[in-house]
Amino acid sequence: DAGVIQSPRHEVTEMGQEVTLRCKPISGHDYLFWYRQTMMRGLELLIYFNNNVPIDDSGMPEDRFSAKMPNASFSTLKIQPSEPRDSAVYFCASSPSLGLAGGPRGDEQYFGPGTRLTVT
Amino acid sequence: DAKTTQPNSMESNEEEPVHLPCNHSTISGTDYIHWYRQLPSQGPEYVIHGLTSNVNNRMASLAIAEDRKSSTLILHRATLRDAAVYYCILRDSFGNEKLTFGTGTRLTIIP
Repeated sequence: DAGVIQSPRHEVTEMGQEVTLRCKPISGHDYLFWYRQTMMRGLELLIYFNNNVPIDDSGMPEDRFSAKMPNASFSTLKIQPSEPRDSAVYFCASSPSLGLAGGPRGDEQYFGPGTRLTVT
Repeated sequence: DAKTTQPNSMESNEEEPVHLPCNHSTISGTDYIHWYRQLPSQGPEYVIHGLTSNVNNRMASLAIAEDRKSSTLILHRATLRDAAVYYCILRDSFGNEKLTFGTGTRLTIIP
């Protein structure tokens, strides 16, 4: 398997522009996560999906951020309008749903290589 | 979420064992202890996890204290490729799937 695929790897845009980050999870994984990493705040979870349904979006910083998962093999994270403080590395991760009923759900998360976003 | 405490940085010589400590005094009975690491310019990668018993895999070993209030990630023979930030994370086995990353320990390997 190719692992989690993210595109683009680097994005430079001007303040006010719309930015769309893309992610293809590992085939067969039920969970998809979007994280953001900055020097100041470290690695923080923005939102995650289970079977294409958003489960927890409490980490999404504000209404300018939106995420969708139209099918099991594709997700987008959109920022509109973008601001310089959105500059960060954005990671997508996916995870299988494992375990028996009543037991631990999910296990390791597999991260993509990240998209480095620079907003000028 | 229960929190973890790790040293900010550690150094180790190449080809020697490394013991990375993690304190989690408020751990609950259903919390698993997960370790991830992040190599430079890469996304985090899973290392190991455990609940109560010590665990071994091809990458590392995890030693868990009897009271579960601390754990140690053991790299048996460090190589330059092991230089990374190591994150110790508690994850509720019956809760949601969230991983909450702290600041981790930056491990430097000295050739």
